[in-house]
Amino acid sequence: DGGITQSPKYLFRKEGQNVTLSCEQNLNHDAMYWYRQDPGQGLRLIYYSQIVNDFQKGDIAEGYSVSREKKESFPLTVTSAQKNPTAFYLCASTGRTGEKAFFGQGTRLTVV
Amino acid sequence: SQKIEQNSEALNIQEGKTATLTCNYTNYSPAYLQWYRQDPGRGPVFLLLIRENEKEKRKERLKVTFDTTLKQSLFHITASQPADSATYLCALLSGGYNKLIFGAGTRLAVHP
Repeated sequence: DGGITQSPKYLFRKEGQNVTLSCEQNLNHDAMYWYRQDPGQGLRLIYYSQIVNDFQKGDIAEGYSVSREKKESFPLTVTSAQKNPTAFYLCASTGRTGEKAFFGQGTRLTVV
Repeated sequence: SQKIEQNSEALNIQEGKTATLTCNYTNYSPAYLQWYRQDPGRGPVFLLLIRENEKEKRKERLKVTFDTTLKQSLFHITASQPADSATYLCALLSGGYNKLIFGAGTRLAVHP
């Protein structure tokens, strides 16, 4: 079955560390997205990519970085420059038209 | 400025009644609008998409309307059930790079 997989489900980060969240899809989707969700809040767009080797900043890109070297993969790195990284991170993918997004199960990142 | 707004207050209704959720947008001209359901700790799941030339779309107990003059979409759940309790998000595409953005969501609680 096709789908989108995020790993790990839970991640703990020490202050000053960079961590990378994985997102893989086998839906043959061109577009992939990363969102951050804080408790009781909506989804805020961090980065998105429409094609391989190209990506755009979303509304809250500071302190994050991404790469899109393969169509199937869109990893997100939370850098030490992100001062408040504790949140629920969601990855999504769509076809070229942006319709009917599929989401992963999310990664809950906590700073310890 | 551009905004996509949903009622931030939770909607509480009795089982069997119709739930109506609102999505308003400002300074966008979306070709279509999407609705998703999110359960706690999970990624959103796509429900319905309505295009600008469609007034209404139905799927089982769900109905969506789209008024491009009012810049508003309404999402209805008829004969609501406790299992319908969740957060419902609207989403649209913004800009030439297909930036997929979401409203903050409205939490629906259906009481037996």
